[in-house]
Amino acid sequence: DIVMTQTPLSLSATPGQPASISCRSSQSLLHSDGKTLLFWYLQKPGQSPQLLVYEVSNRFSGVPDRFSGSGSGTDFTLRISRVEAEDVGVYYCMQSIQVPHSFGQGTRLEIK
Amino acid sequence: EVQLVESGGGVVRPGESLRLSCVASGFTFPDHGMNWVRQSVGKGLEWVAGIVWNGGTTDYTDSVKGRFTISRDNAKNSLYLQMNSLSAEDTALYYCARDYYGLFLAPDYWGQGTLVTVSP
Repeated sequence: DIVMTQTPLSLSATPGQPASISCRSSQSLLHSDGKTLLFWYLQKPGQSPQLLVYEVSNRFSGVPDRFSGSGSGTDFTLRISRVEAEDVGVYYCMQSIQVPHSFGQGTRLEIK
Repeated sequence: EVQLVESGGGVVRPGESLRLSCVASGFTFPDHGMNWVRQSVGKGLEWVAGIVWNGGTTDYTDSVKGRFTISRDNAKNSLYLQMNSLSAEDTALYYCARDYYGLFLAPDYWGQGTLVTVSP
């Protein structure tokens, strides 16, 4: 099974400042069709998860452009250019190149 | 507006069965794969099962293979999860989630979840 490892597990960010979360997979997430199957989710307090980024770097519908994803192969990063109060919650990366699809442990973002 | 409404959760004893349902609206259900994802209280997310748009392919996480069955009825815009031989380790909030693709690769919209508790 592919193991997804996120760092850090918790993050305290200042409003207006940048923040980033790393995700490393135990195997390459590059599919033979050229897609890299790495996704980012945010679960806000008391809510269901929501998709932020698909295929490494594509923002999902309605996601603010302060969120950006990058990376390749086994190393990926989610960046928030200017953290806002509404960004609090737990961020997860997920791979779906291999079953079982697997999530990282989650990174809890709090606002200072 | 995409809506996914789960039902069927409850409290059962170890070894018993439960069938979860999810009714979808606000999108063309047959165009999308579907997923079940669970979350134990205070824990992270675990993908449980997926089904492609026409039900022709399904897959499961190892811990539920042989016990859980995912299915769908496109005429009823509905997704199901038949869960047999339940154990305490299956206790979790179960989310129905639409897939971004016609396959099961990336949940995009999620329901609010239905709680399954397995307790003696």
